[in-house]
Amino acid sequence: DTGVSQDPRHKITKRGQNVTFRCDPISEHNRLYWYRQTLGQGPEFLTYFQNEAQLEKSRLLSDRFSAERPKGSFSTLEIQRTEQGDSAMYLCASSLRGKADAEAFFGQGTRLTVV
Amino acid sequence: GESVGLHLPTLSVQEGDNSIINCAYSNSASDYFIWYKQESGKGPQFIIDIRSNMDKRQGQRVTVLLNKTVKHLSLQIAATQPGDSAVYFCAENLVLGKLTFGQGTILTVHP
Repeated sequence: DTGVSQDPRHKITKRGQNVTFRCDPISEHNRLYWYRQTLGQGPEFLTYFQNEAQLEKSRLLSDRFSAERPKGSFSTLEIQRTEQGDSAMYLCASSLRGKADAEAFFGQGTRLTVV
Repeated sequence: GESVGLHLPTLSVQEGDNSIINCAYSNSASDYFIWYKQESGKGPQFIIDIRSNMDKRQGQRVTVLLNKTVKHLSLQIAATQPGDSAVYFCAENLVLGKLTFGQGTILTVHP
């Protein structure tokens, strides 16, 4: 395991459909983050987990969004009833709590297009 | 509101020149900053970080300068190469690992 892995890399879905993305963090990392990035903008924080506990959620995370990390390892991000405004790159990152600088390592992202 | 932002959205340089990318932040309580490089279709890649108790930190071909008086951050890239072409973001780490990103600067290096 050399980095954060995200699946799928690309997803095209019709408006109203549900989608689920997966993130596999670096194996020893106990913190996992989800970010959303739209074209020309920096990533925006959505939520983060420490082990299996979801500790913070952004106001950007509407009721249609849910994230889980059931065993404290991989995480899923589900979007229900997708809207065109959900089209974005969804980035996952992980870090190790206790490491002084807490450098977050990012995955390649899942690009979602809602048509 | 509190934010992290960038002065210049685009920067074009010739190969071999030095590049300077600037960033302004508004939260005076910020104490940790990171520069990320993002290439097309990829996630952000850590370049260098700096804490507020420092005003300069050097890496390989990169230097970050922090001016707390004017709340300004800069990234200097020495001898810029075509492979340095990317979008560069400064980010503020308020809660361990929770990052607030600026808008980004597009760096284009011409051979």
